[in-house]
Amino acid sequence: AQSVSQHNHHVILSEAASLELGCNYSYGGTVNLFWYVQYPGQHLQLLLKYFSGDPLVKGIKGFEAEFIKSKFSFNLRKPSVQWSDTAEYFCAVMDNYGQNFVFGPGTRLSVLP
Amino acid sequence: SAVISQKPSRDICQRGTSLTIQCQVDSQVTMMFWYRQQPGQSLTLIATANQGSEATYESGFVIDKFPISRPNLTFSTLTVSNMSPEDSSIYLCSVEFEGGGYEQYFGPGTRLTVT
Repeated sequence: AQSVSQHNHHVILSEAASLELGCNYSYGGTVNLFWYVQYPGQHLQLLLKYFSGDPLVKGIKGFEAEFIKSKFSFNLRKPSVQWSDTAEYFCAVMDNYGQNFVFGPGTRLSVLP
Repeated sequence: SAVISQKPSRDICQRGTSLTIQCQVDSQVTMMFWYRQQPGQSLTLIATANQGSEATYESGFVIDKFPISRPNLTFSTLTVSNMSPEDSSIYLCSVEFEGGGYEQYFGPGTRLTVT
């Protein structure tokens, strides 16, 4: 079964710092990749997704992620974080058959004002 | 995207009882899913609920414990039966649009506490 790992359980940054959250998956076939965000007290929202094409994908709120197939990675980045980015971030992977939607354990981001 | 609502938003229940959670979508969708998010953990898929067929359960989840209904393309229910404190969790429904590219859209969740 495929699995998803996220390197950091909790990341603490100051405002304006750069962010990179790691995500690795185990599935060897073609995959679809997602990052979701869950702001405090709110429901999960899709930040960005990758299906094919340009491995660097841009999402909402200034986030981007890069798919590196050789490393089975899909790291999330943002050049300058804001206090409002404080949230839980989940990486998710689905195989190309549209089955096996698997979430990573999540990374809690705390941005200090 | 879609507007997804869940009822109740939270509940406190006694062990041995059952709770039915409703999920309503503002547009017709083929695929609906039910997840569990235990405290401090990630989301775990319980089952896939497609209209017109029996729900498909993931390993570790059974129909007797988590019966699901999907009477039409905008509504589904998940029942947590014979509850124990280990069932305390957030239960989320999500939808996937046909031809939408596999991303799922989530409801706000139902926070269940079993005492």
